[in-house]
Amino acid sequence: GNSVTQMEGPVTLSEEAFLTINCTYTATGYPSLFWYVQYPGEGLQLLLKATKADDKGSNKGFEATYRKETTSFHLEKGSVQVSDSAVYFCALSEWNAGNMLTFGGGTRLMVKP
Amino acid sequence: DGGITQSPKYLFRKEGQNVTLSCEQNLNHDAMYWYRQDPGQGLRLIYYSQIVNDFQKGDIAEGYSVSREKKESFPLTVTSAQKNPTAFYLCASSRSGFAEAFFGQGTRLTVV
Repeated sequence: GNSVTQMEGPVTLSEEAFLTINCTYTATGYPSLFWYVQYPGEGLQLLLKATKADDKGSNKGFEATYRKETTSFHLEKGSVQVSDSAVYFCALSEWNAGNMLTFGGGTRLMVKP
Repeated sequence: DGGITQSPKYLFRKEGQNVTLSCEQNLNHDAMYWYRQDPGQGLRLIYYSQIVNDFQKGDIAEGYSVSREKKESFPLTVTSAQKNPTAFYLCASSRSGFAEAFFGQGTRLTVV
């Protein structure tokens, strides 16, 4: 079956540091890949997505590139802010799995001033 | 504004009681989903519905029930058979054939 593995948190960074959150996946076919963000006490918001190999999703300074050869979709940001503190979820979906989302376990990011 | 509304935001349940969590969407989405989130963990799928009057069990459906009588509404009932119901519950919806899901703000259920 499909699965998503994320690096365990929490990840603690100082403001303006470089961020990488690793995400790798296992899928039987050709999935679409997503990053969602969850701020404290709220639901999930779509941060970015990529639907085919070598696509780069980007939003709010965050980027992730769909790497089929390494089955990865790592999230990066060049300079984090305190307001980026949240939990980040990597997810995938496949047509042959009814397009259902499969989520990773989430990675908590804490950014200190 | 279009979106998904979950209510209530906080809910307290006595042991042995059934409670119903509301989820309404005005995005005209065909598919709706319920997820459970426990502290420090990812999301687990409880039930989903791809069309009105039809729904399927997810990975952890035991102790829960749903209905889908209207396209806009997908209420979740947490029954007394659910032995550990304290969690954060998230409702989501998506267009048919599209995986991109939109989430509500969640309901935090606590057993007292």
